Amino acid sequence: SQKIEQNSEALNIQEGKTATLTCNYTNYSPAYLQWYRQDPGRGPVFLLLIRENEKEKRKERLKVTFDTTLKQSLFHITASQPADSATYLCALYQAGTALIFGKGTTLSVSS
Amino acid sequence: DAGVTQSPTHLIKTRGQHVTLRCSPISGHKSVSWYQQVLGQGPQFIFQYYEKEERGRGNFPDRFSARQFPNYSSELNVNALLLGDSALYLCASSLARGANYGYTFGSGTRLTVV
Repeated sequence: SQKIEQNSEALNIQEGKTATLTCNYTNYSPAYLQWYRQDPGRGPVFLLLIRENEKEKRKERLKVTFDTTLKQSLFHITASQPADSATYLCALYQAGTALIFGKGTTLSVSS
Repeated sequence: DAGVTQSPTHLIKTRGQHVTLRCSPISGHKSVSWYQQVLGQGPQFIFQYYEKEERGRGNFPDRFSARQFPNYSSELNVNALLLGDSALYLCASSLARGANYGYTFGSGTRLTVV
């Protein structure tokens, strides 16, 4: 069956450290993978997109990697801040389907 | 530019009733997708409309239906409400069908079925 798994429901780190979130998928061949941030009671906000032929994408303190052999994406936030505390969702798009989301990982950054 | 607008923001319905949720996409966006998000889960795909035609349907019963109007706004209808339909309903708009520019989500409609 097709699955998208985000490795942990919750991740707690200290301010200034790098947060690393994992997204694994099974039985998909995504054309691209996206990461979103969601705050409580709000809709997800698009952060980054990485295509199947790209290994890495960066945007300010954010970095995403995509390994189609391992069927995995890693999402990094460097120099994390308490304001980065939120739920982070990965989503993949496969031709002929819709954008499918994982369950999310809730990140808490303590000062 | 206004973002994605959803109405109402909250509503409470009784089991067996019908509900209509509305969404106005970003100006120029022709694709609207609907998602259901229950507490602690990721958004689950319900429908996608592009250029006023249904382009995708998720694993939801026939009680769920939707449509897109000529101005690209959209409605999601749910009949014969069940307690399990209580969730945050999210609308997302995008330029094209394939989401290769990312989706822009509204803040959602919080539906409570009692």
